[in-house]
Amino acid sequence: SAVISQKPSRDICQRGTSLTIQCQVDSQVTMMFWYRQQPGQSLTLIATANQGSEATYESGFVIDKFPISRPNLTFSTLTVSNMSPEDSSIYLCSVDRGRRETQYFGPGTRLLVL
Amino acid sequence: RKEVEQDPGPFNVPEGATVAFNCTYSNSASQSFFWYRQDCRKEPKLLMSVYSSGNEDGRFTAQLNRASQYISLLIRDSKLSDSATYLCVVNSGGGADGLTFGKGTHLIIQP
Repeated sequence: SAVISQKPSRDICQRGTSLTIQCQVDSQVTMMFWYRQQPGQSLTLIATANQGSEATYESGFVIDKFPISRPNLTFSTLTVSNMSPEDSSIYLCSVDRGRRETQYFGPGTRLLVL
Repeated sequence: RKEVEQDPGPFNVPEGATVAFNCTYSNSASQSFFWYRQDCRKEPKLLMSVYSSGNEDGRFTAQLNRASQYISLLIRDSKLSDSATYLCVVNSGGGADGLTFGKGTHLIIQP
């Protein structure tokens, strides 16, 4: 499995502000993904972070709200822009480097928007 | 229609008992199937992949029924440490896509 770290681990933010979450992997990976887990819910895929090109967003998620960077094969960022209380959630990055498309998750970033 | 459906539980099971969960998926083109485990306030961790022929890992047995589009997980001789949320997960894209998660089944093992 991969060793994945995320920064910050948690944050409390004011509405209208933006927060950038970082995801670092200990080795090069082809695929990186960003998920959201809202309170009491399961995980929902936000987007696939593509190295060297624009991220691929899932239905209901747009680049203006969740801009993503993937400058190299070990690092990605997700920005939650113009936050509202509805954005309060856990944001997780994951990587895919195993057989049968197995994904491994970072520890998550707990975000509370007031 | 939800893509991956699970009984949310909770399942309250005495220690040492056998417990089984089922999960159904809607996309018949789904390629890969997994069970993940998520402990409270932690990230999901892969428990096991699910293969068409069925597979076993210690006390855990996973089975896939493509015709009926359901996946099962059986836990034998349950331990207190098995208490967690078990997430049924499907990859419909064959490699490059993200995963679709069920909402999870909550399992509580009681002493």
